[in-house]
Amino acid sequence: AQSVTQLDSHVSVSEGTPVLLRCNYSSSYSPSLFWYVQHPNKGLQLLLKYTSAATLVKGINGFEAEFKKSETSFHLTKPSAHMSDAAEYFCVVSFLNAGNNRKLIWGLGTSLAVNP
Amino acid sequence: EAGVTQFPSHSVIEKGQTVTLRCDPISGHDNLYWYRRVMGKEIKFLLHFVKESKQDESGMPNNRFLAERTGGTYSTLKVQPAELEDSGVYFCASSQDPGVTYEQYFGPGTRLTVT
Repeated sequence: AQSVTQLDSHVSVSEGTPVLLRCNYSSSYSPSLFWYVQHPNKGLQLLLKYTSAATLVKGINGFEAEFKKSETSFHLTKPSAHMSDAAEYFCVVSFLNAGNNRKLIWGLGTSLAVNP
Repeated sequence: EAGVTQFPSHSVIEKGQTVTLRCDPISGHDNLYWYRRVMGKEIKFLLHFVKESKQDESGMPNNRFLAERTGGTYSTLKVQPAELEDSGVYFCASSQDPGVTYEQYFGPGTRLTVT
């Protein structure tokens, strides 16, 4: 079975300090993994995706994530937080089900607060 | 290029009433998806259209929900009659190619409150 666990529901950092949002997944197949972000009153936006190429994936706005198969993790990081990073972040695993339909399994989300 | 749009942004209705949500995908995107996020829960898949056909509706909660995509353009999701547990945020997404690495483009969502 496929599942996604975001280990923190809320993370608070100071502006200019590193960001770490943790995600663990469970998948019977070689997964594709994504991070989406939702700013207030905005649609969900793709930050980055892992699709079995390089394990260190760079995304928009300075975010990156590293796929670690041995740890079944796909943590999201950023070296220096900016006030505009305050948003909700979702870790997502994608797979093909038995009916050959692509499915997205979502984590519960992590709300990131950035303090001045 | 215009993104995915959804209407209305908010809807408050009473239990037993009917509500229709609309989604306009990105032009040229054959694939359209509906998702729902109930408060405190994860975002869950409802259904997937390819053009006007329902490719996968395994996530539809019950027969009070009816989705249509006439002409393969915009889609509507009707809830009739609405129940309290239908409250949540309904997201629509579209994509060009549902391949392995595809990206879905999401709208801002419709927040539905059933009182």
